[in-house]
Amino acid sequence: EVQLEQPEKEMKKMGESLKISCKGSGYRFSSFWIGWVRQRPGKGLEWMGIIYPGDSDTNYSPSFQGQATISVDKSLTTAYLQWNALKASDTATYYCVTMRGYRFGAWGQGTAVIVSS
Amino acid sequence: SYILTQAPSVSVAPGQSATISCGGDNIGAKNVHWYQQRPGQAPVGVVYDNSDRATGIPERFSGSNSGDTATLTIIGAEAGDEADYYCQVWDSNSDIYVFGGGTKVTVL
Repeated sequence: EVQLEQPEKEMKKMGESLKISCKGSGYRFSSFWIGWVRQRPGKGLEWMGIIYPGDSDTNYSPSFQGQATISVDKSLTTAYLQWNALKASDTATYYCVTMRGYRFGAWGQGTAVIVSS
Repeated sequence: SYILTQAPSVSVAPGQSATISCGGDNIGAKNVHWYQQRPGQAPVGVVYDNSDRATGIPERFSGSNSGDTATLTIIGAEAGDEADYYCQVWDSNSDIYVFGGGTKVTVL
């Protein structure tokens, strides 16, 4: 069974850095793209970007280019989403998801990131 | 960039049919995927590639796509179908993944 494990919650202050993880299991991790999706409180889904664990090739949404960094450690079967200086507007739930062609496959349970002043 | 338009909400009586629309310029030329998100949960795939039900999804869910509108239909809605539903496409012109704004389905 494909599983993506994410931490439930992270609480940070504005200006702090953060790196959240997404550990894949139950499938050939290096062979499938992994995407990140943001959902702000009470709002819809927004695609942020994708990464291919085999060679770390990435593709960012223009809306998120430069806002956060996607990376992967295939030896740990884990993808990451990282911020250098969090803003209040980064408060959201972040989902990692396996890509199947041009659709979203198995979803993690999401990490709620709460940024306070 | 490519835009997908969904109505914010749809209401349906139990046992009746609900139609959830997703509008986009010549969307019929694209593959449309649908996701269900129940309150407090992660999204799950419902219909892929316009009309293929995801594994474990009941037959009462069906999808179609033509012209400028893709549609997800729930026949015989149940209380457990209350959720937000999102359509999604891949825009080949800009190589980006696009979600519709979501439709909240209420079964009352």
